[in-house]
Amino acid sequence: AQKVTQAQTEISVVEKEDVTLDCVYETRDTTYYLFWYKQPPSGELVFLIRRNSFDEQNEISGRYSWNFQKSTSSFNFTITASQVVDSAVYFCALSRGSSNTGKLIFGQGTTLQVKP
Amino acid sequence: DTAVSQTPKYLVTQMGNDKSIKCEQNLGHDTMYWYKQDSKKFLKIMFSYNNKELIINETVPNRFSPKSPDKAHLNLHINSLELGDSAVYFCASSPGTGISYEQYFGPGTRLTVT
Repeated sequence: AQKVTQAQTEISVVEKEDVTLDCVYETRDTTYYLFWYKQPPSGELVFLIRRNSFDEQNEISGRYSWNFQKSTSSFNFTITASQVVDSAVYFCALSRGSSNTGKLIFGQGTTLQVKP
Repeated sequence: DTAVSQTPKYLVTQMGNDKSIKCEQNLGHDTMYWYKQDSKKFLKIMFSYNNKELIINETVPNRFSPKSPDKAHLNLHINSLELGDSAVYFCASSPGTGISYEQYFGPGTRLTVT
């Protein structure tokens, strides 16, 4: 079964706190890509990052960092020193190599609320 | 310049009506998608076209019919609208069907069926 699970439905933090959004995936494919998208209150989805199944290097972009661990099938997203503008719904998604159609399987999303 | 645009942004209609949502992308991409986001924010793919050819056709009622007149446009026509069709519909595009491509999403169309 191909599946993405974001167990945290909602997270609420106070500005400047660090927060980690969890993503666990299931796939039998050896080649796949994982993505994170952000959906701010304005509604449209914004691409944040992509990671292929052969690259387990962590990535940092400003206050954002991603931790990919194949051993635990997880691709977690950490926001350091959160800001009110980080308030959004965050989606983790999987694209399978055996499909090759570009089909994205999304997790349920995590709603992050950052309070001032 | 808007990369992926959808019209209308809001659509309120009654059960039984037929409606269309239009999508256009100016990114020069070959592949376009329709997604449905339900009230719990869950996103699910409905259709995908690559160069006007249907690539993905998920388990969607046949009241939904996509049409791609050219690779820059992918429209969604819905017949005999039902209450359960109320959702936000997103159009997206990507350079191709490869698994590595990120998808660029439109602003969404909020459909309310009364």
